This record gives sequence, C-alpha cells and structure tokens, in this order.
Amino acid sequence: GQQLNQSPQSMFIQEGEDVSMNCTSSSIFNTWLWYKQDPGEGPVLLIALYKAGELTSNGRLTAQFGITRKDSFLNISASIPSDVGIYFCAGQLRAGNNRKLIWGLGTSLAVNP
Amino acid sequence: DSGVTQTPKHLITATGQRVTLRCSPRSGDLSVYWYQQSLDQGLQFLIQYYNGEERAKGNILERFSAQQFPDLHSELNLSSLELGDSALYFCASSVSSRGQETQYFGPGTRLLVL
Repeated sequence: GQQLNQSPQSMFIQEGEDVSMNCTSSSIFNTWLWYKQDPGEGPVLLIALYKAGELTSNGRLTAQFGITRKDSFLNISASIPSDVGIYFCAGQLRAGNNRKLIWGLGTSLAVNP
Repeated sequence: DSGVTQTPKHLITATGQRVTLRCSPRSGDLSVYWYQQSLDQGLQFLIQYYNGEERAKGNILERFSAQQFPDLHSELNLSSLELGDSALYFCASSVSSRGQETQYFGPGTRLLVL
C-alpha cells in the first residue's frame, strides 16, 4: 500500500540531545499528524498540522507542515529517557468526502541516560 | 487515556481457530478503523467503518472480517488463524471537524497464535 518515506528509521542518542525526524511524499496532503507509540501501547497523537507552513509546538516537541504540503518534520529538544518509543507520521489525503490516512513506517528512538 | 477501549488486551490461541476482537470508540465518534502491527512493523490499515457502513478497505485478508454495530462498537473477526497473524491489533476512532480528521487509538489487543 501507499506509504510515506519516514527517516531516520532509528536513532540512538544521549539524553539532552535534540532530535529531528521527517516524512516526505510525492503526494500532497492537507493534514499531517505525528504520533508516538510506547512499547506495547497504542499510538498517541502528539501534534496535528492543518495548514502548509504551519509550525506547532507541544512542550519540547515542534512540528512543521512543509510549504509544498509534501513533507513534515518533528523536532524534540533536550531529549529525556521517557522520549523513548516509535514516532509515526501520517498524512491525510482528501478526495471529496473520502479521507485516507497514509502512515510512515516509524522512527524508533532510543535515549541513553 | 484516548477514550477508545479494546478487549481483550491479550489473546492466545491456536492455528486454525477463530477469534473476535472488540472495540468501543470514543463517545460521539462515528468512524472506527482497524490496524494490524506486526513485530517491528508499521501500522497496516485493515478496514474502516463509518456509522455502521464499511467505508474503506486496506490490506485485509479474506479470512478477516469486521462490522460496526448500531451502538457504534466494532468487532474484528479473524478466522483460520495462522502463525503469521500474531500481531498487535489496534482500533482507532475519529471524528471529523471542518474537513479535518484525527484518529485516536485504543490500547490494542495482542494476539499470539501458537
């Protein structure tokens, strides 16, 4: 099925470092979503972006909706051990009344205390 | 807590068996989505229901089926189970506002087929 290109696939960083991950696509999206999944749990919505160029923060997290509407990035500043998990991006396509969410394969983040 | 509930949390069964996974969406949400997540894999969209009707199909096997009931809860039926069906199965519900839709996930059902 259709998927987003999410990178990097995994990251191993030291506590306190900043993290950046991104998603790209050949398709134009009208919404970008970033989710975090803790081990054994369901994904939890972190940030939702609805307009091209939009920059939104949620605590130490910042995400941007690319101006071309084909990409988005998520930054985490001053990482802490509880940031460990898998981060998924998702882009929403809309055709009439139908909406389709396309998912990235995730970025696995490990933080060394 | 997303407000989406799923039962059971864990399920262990044997090959060839049939199981039913249950999902209750957030209050007021009309859409229910089912996803499969295998070990170290991303989320594979299976099927979506909206207000009792099937709206979209993803990579759902013919051995799998789902339905959404009048009270909006949904069930995912998995039959003739194979070892490869072992995975986490997530349900998500969503509500649309001004053309935007956000999915909220349940805690998942971990299925182990032995």
